[in-house]
Amino acid sequence: NAGVTQTPKFRILKIGQSMTLQCTQDMNHNYMYWYRQDPGMGLKLIYYSVGAGITDKGEVPNGYNVSRSTTEDFPLRLELAAPSQTSVYFCASSLKGSNQPQHFGDGTRLSIL
Amino acid sequence: SQKIEQNSEALNIQEGKTATLTCNYTNYSPAYLQWYRQDPGRGPVFLLLIRENEKEKRKERLKVTFDTTLKQSLFHITASQPADSATYLCALEGRGDKLIFGTGTRLQVFP
Repeated sequence: NAGVTQTPKFRILKIGQSMTLQCTQDMNHNYMYWYRQDPGMGLKLIYYSVGAGITDKGEVPNGYNVSRSTTEDFPLRLELAAPSQTSVYFCASSLKGSNQPQHFGDGTRLSIL
Repeated sequence: SQKIEQNSEALNIQEGKTATLTCNYTNYSPAYLQWYRQDPGRGPVFLLLIRENEKEKRKERLKVTFDTTLKQSLFHITASQPADSATYLCALEGRGDKLIFGTGTRLQVFP
């Protein structure tokens, strides 16, 4: 089992560019999440999904979009990159319910210059 | 609003001692709480979950307590080792099947 796999590991973007952060899991988890982690700020939820075809906003969704066409994949899209989106992005998955442990990928470190 | 507080200052302890990390919360009453470990450049890794009706939970050298009156959880590592050095995050259930994470406390165990 690979668990949760995120690509790329690092990326530098120019302001206004777009990109997609990829996330895939092989544990057949229904729930998937995207977080961003800034120094001293903890993990902030961007979007989450409770199953294929269902997505919902988290605490900080502005500037991002997601889709969930399959159980395995949950890509995060940045349409117009801004310096405020410089961060480390983590994808996670879990079984149903927030009383279940979340399994995290190793993150994508994104810089917007 | 719901708030979770973890000591932002690093905790430095000597190998073999017990490390105790604190997680305080306000403005809600979660039914359970989770603790994660995060190493530099890696994603968080789940360690323990404790429910509100469980005062204490243990796993090997780890012990977690959950005091719903004080609105506090304590995370203990006994016989600490340099390999225990990491950032430890607490997380509580939020609304709608979501977790709310604390900012984490960095633990440094020196020989």
